[in-house]
Amino acid sequence: QVQLVQSGSEVKKPGASVKVSCKASGYTFTSYAIHWVRQAPGQRLEWMGWINAGNGYTKYSQKFQGRVTIIRDTSASTAYMELSSLRSEDTAVYYCARAPTTAGAFDNWGQGTLVTVSS
Amino acid sequence: DIVMTQSPDSLAVSLGERATINCKSSQSVLYSSDNKNYLVWYQQKPGQPPKMLIYWASTRESGVPDRFSGSGSGTDFTLTISSLQAEDVAVYYCQQYYSTPHTFGQGTKLEIK
Repeated sequence: QVQLVQSGSEVKKPGASVKVSCKASGYTFTSYAIHWVRQAPGQRLEWMGWINAGNGYTKYSQKFQGRVTIIRDTSASTAYMELSSLRSEDTAVYYCARAPTTAGAFDNWGQGTLVTVSS
Repeated sequence: DIVMTQSPDSLAVSLGERATINCKSSQSVLYSSDNKNYLVWYQQKPGQPPKMLIYWASTRESGVPDRFSGSGSGTDFTLTISSLQAEDVAVYYCQQYYSTPHTFGQGTKLEIK
């Protein structure tokens, strides 16, 4: 069965960076896209960006442009999301989710990774 | 950016009764070339990631009970639960995947009356 397993919780200081991993199994990794979505306390789900796991194409939300980088390692069937210049407002649960490489809904999600930004 | 607005913010329905959640997009998410609405509904229970229920506005995901249905086109969409069960208590989100950023509604919290 399709599984996306994310790395564990992180605590970071303001100004630092965090890198969250998302390991895929149960399907051909390079045939799909991986999207990243975050959920801050009391806020709606927020889309951050996506990567075509096949060709490596990326697109980011303007809100995070310049601070977010999404990459993938096809040999490990793993996608990564790195967010830099962290501030307290970045405290959230970060999810990866699978979708078709053409436009499509997110049919499988990782379990989420809590990132806490605190001095 | 396309703004997604759900109504109501919260809803309490008796077991066995119908629950209806609305979602409105600030611009059409109907793609003319394939006549599909790029709209999905998710269910999220506490401590869990979202779960896809309905995609292309009205296509039920495999394994989702048939009491869940989606309707609408263009800018106005509805998620209906025909007979509420206890396990349906959750927050429901709509999302558009017509254009980036793929925006979400604010969520509707569904409870038992």
